[in-house]
Amino acid sequence: GAVVSQHPSWVICKSGTSVKIECRSLDFQATTMFWYRQFPKQSLMLMATSNEGSKATYEQGVEKDKFLINHASLTLSTLTVTSAHPEDSSFYICSAREWGDTQYFGPGTRLTVL
Amino acid sequence: GENVEQHPSTLSVQEGDSAVIKCTYSDSASNYFPWYKQELGKGPQLIIDIRSNVGEKKDQRIAVTLNKTAKHFSLHITETQPEDSAVYFCAAILRGSGYSTLTFGKGTMLLVSP
Repeated sequence: GAVVSQHPSWVICKSGTSVKIECRSLDFQATTMFWYRQFPKQSLMLMATSNEGSKATYEQGVEKDKFLINHASLTLSTLTVTSAHPEDSSFYICSAREWGDTQYFGPGTRLTVL
Repeated sequence: GENVEQHPSTLSVQEGDSAVIKCTYSDSASNYFPWYKQELGKGPQLIIDIRSNVGEKKDQRIAVTLNKTAKHFSLHITETQPEDSAVYFCAAILRGSGYSTLTFGKGTMLLVSP
């Protein structure tokens, strides 16, 4: 149980284009989903928290117009990187939480912007 | 806010030896402490967690201890195997705070040599 999936697992795009990453909780309803960014050999950096049906809460320094987050259902959240640039290249990971404290992470999406 | 310090940053052991990773936290109100294992190119996987009303928790070869007074908690892996090689992250959270997010340590790279 407690499986979180992400799609795609990797994506390569041209500078200036937008990329959408999906995060799904497969066997539980996620009241809260989180999006993280991770650079090589570093810890996870929280980008935003989203509750189903509400606007996402972004961490300080994260551009909400660049990283669009939608949590339209209890099993799906999406992160759209708009007008991507090479500095947006990173490993993006989502996590999901039901009612308790336990967060389950997805497998991550490797984004490379050329 | 919460701050989590994790040591050591790297740990090399021989197969069969024990490994111990230590974390300290700053907010005495934090009451939930999960540990995650992250293999290269994958998302973090929850391996064990402990709540503040418990001093120790064990799951086969893995155990976590919590000292609330000293505000530190540790991960113990016994009889290490090569497949235990990964990056391990500790985290802390304040439950029921309404806007509760995990604060992660910087990670420990564990290398188990055959």
